[in-house]
Amino acid sequence: DAGVIQSPRHEVTEMGQEVTLRCKPISGHDYLFWYRQTMMRGLELLIYFNNNVPIDDSGMPEDRFSAKMPNASFSTLKIQPSEPRDSAVYFCASTILGGIDEQFFGPGTRLTVL
Amino acid sequence: DAKTTQPTSMDCAEGRAANLPCNHSTISGNEYVYWYRQIHSQGPQYIIHGLKNNETNEMASLIITEDRKSSTLILPHATLRDTAVYYCIVRVGEYGNKLVFGAGTILRVKS
Repeated sequence: DAGVIQSPRHEVTEMGQEVTLRCKPISGHDYLFWYRQTMMRGLELLIYFNNNVPIDDSGMPEDRFSAKMPNASFSTLKIQPSEPRDSAVYFCASTILGGIDEQFFGPGTRLTVL
Repeated sequence: DAKTTQPTSMDCAEGRAANLPCNHSTISGNEYVYWYRQIHSQGPQYIIHGLKNNETNEMASLIITEDRKSSTLILPHATLRDTAVYYCIVRVGEYGNKLVFGAGTILRVKS
């Protein structure tokens, strides 16, 4: 299994631009999580899905952030418009009901907003 | 979820056991203790979890005190590749419940 796949691995953009981060969870997993990591705030959960349905989006910082999961094998996190304070590493993770409740994390996307 | 307290950093000699403590004095009866680690520039990696009994797997052992107010993660023979940030997390053990990461412990394994 290839594990959780995230793209792009690095993204540099200018303030005001739209940014889309992508995630492919491990096949068969029914939970998907989006996290953000910064030096100041550490690792924070933004939103998570179960069977493609958003369950808890209380960590989404503001309306500029949105996440979708159109099918079981793909999710996006969009920031529009982006701001310098959005610069962070964004991780996607997935897990499966019935396993040992281990979340498998992707390699992350390092976002820099200039 | 109960709050956890971990030392900011620890050093360990290569080949020796690394013992990472975690305090969770407000833990509830249905809350599990989870350990994850994050090696530099990588996503966090699950290590082990437990409720009240000691647990062991191929990576580590988890020792939970009888009153469950603290626990210790043990890496039996630390290697340089074990240098990472180790997170102790307490949460209700229901699938899909979110993990709340604290600051963790920076473990430096030295040769």
